[in-house]
Amino acid sequence: NAGVTQTPKFQVLKTGQSMTLQCAQDMNHNSMYWYRQDPGMGLRLIYYSASEGTTDKGEVPNGYNVSRLNKREFSLRLESAAPSQTSVYFCASSEWGKSSGANVLTFGAGSRLTVL
Amino acid sequence: QKEVEQDPGPLSVPEGAIVSLNCTYSNSAFQYFMWYRQYSRKGPELLMYTYSSGNKEDGRFTAQVDKSSKYISLFIRDSQPSDSATYLCAMKGYGGSQGNLIFGKGTKLSVKP
Repeated sequence: NAGVTQTPKFQVLKTGQSMTLQCAQDMNHNSMYWYRQDPGMGLRLIYYSASEGTTDKGEVPNGYNVSRLNKREFSLRLESAAPSQTSVYFCASSEWGKSSGANVLTFGAGSRLTVL
Repeated sequence: QKEVEQDPGPLSVPEGAIVSLNCTYSNSAFQYFMWYRQYSRKGPELLMYTYSSGNKEDGRFTAQVDKSSKYISLFIRDSQPSDSATYLCAMKGYGGSQGNLIFGKGTKLSVKP
């Protein structure tokens, strides 16, 4: 039971470099999310995908792009990394079965990114 | 005023103590309330989920929602060192986009043997 798998677990980048964080879920969930977690700031939503083929901005989308590759996979891309993007990134998925219900999230283990 | 306020702690208690973790919120439209537990260097995992007001119990854990006071609590009875983690509250109103789940900043709990 893998759940939500994120790669890589750790990454160090230099300012201006680009990279993609990968996320895959095997629970057949419709919805997927990318959060960042910073000390004193809590979890903040970057982007989410309610279903395959759709993506929407969250609270802090600037500097990021996402791709919902298929139902299983949702990637987060940093085109030109900045030190302010140093953070722990979490991918999550949820089953949005009932109308307007609460989205109970299953999280991955996180990807720790440092931008120098 | 932030939508969800949660005391970051840290909170340190001896093994066996009763722990009370709390969140206050300002949006009266919130209907769904959750508690997530996050161990160090791991992702959050759902611990308790409550719809609207009332109590919900699961083993040593009890979640309470007081919508009149806009206040939610998580009680841990007979706390164990394995309960040492950061506890995040999360909440959402009925309807709206799926991105509308609001998290508290988390309370770090340490249970000492």
